[in-house]
Amino acid sequence: QSALTQPASVSGSPGQSITISCTGSSSDVGTYKYVSWYQQHPAKAPKLMIYEISNRPSGVPDRFSGSKSGNTASLTISGLQADDEADYYCSSFTSTRARWVFGGGTKLTVL
Amino acid sequence: QVQLVQSGAEVKKPGASVKVSCKASGYTFTGYFLHWVRQAPGQGLEWMGWINPNSGGTYYAQRFQGRVSMTRDTSITTGYMELSSLRSDDTAVYYCAREDDDFNYDWGQGTLVTVSS
Repeated sequence: QSALTQPASVSGSPGQSITISCTGSSSDVGTYKYVSWYQQHPAKAPKLMIYEISNRPSGVPDRFSGSKSGNTASLTISGLQADDEADYYCSSFTSTRARWVFGGGTKLTVL
Repeated sequence: QVQLVQSGAEVKKPGASVKVSCKASGYTFTGYFLHWVRQAPGQGLEWMGWINPNSGGTYYAQRFQGRVSMTRDTSITTGYMELSSLRSDDTAVYYCAREDDDFNYDWGQGTLVTVSS
């Protein structure tokens, strides 16, 4: 059971927008700005897509955006493309001794 | 630039131990926590624990306590993760990751550990 809760799967058609939620607690998502999102294609290492809630690393398309409200962070992908089909993980700093927690991952299917 | 280079794939028998290394470069090794994360086939990312390379202090996820040991050798800027009493469900890719000042992470390339009789 992961510390952060994500939907197991989401889907959308090319060109559409989807949003993936990530629910934590006041020990992590609710209090800190250190929320990140990773994209992972099969047999590949996780790739950072969003950091500090809504910032994009260089090279990440602006179709990817992040936000937070209360204990829930969200990743929105607009203008879906076939290559967006992947697993997505949220993570956050936590004030517990662990310092770092993950969501269980969401499988995005592009129909 | 920060680089974390991990050791190569391992195949182990049930009950054995495995030790994965993570060679760090491009930053002050003792200045940043090093975490270990694993991913079993078809499963999600699972946080295992961290080591403070400066003090050697560690903290492990409860499910691994008693089986995992994270150490470091500051002279060669390398961190290690040793997992003992291996079972088939320990088959996974193991990653090291450096925590930076803003709680962002630089990842190693991953090490596949296969546990099979």
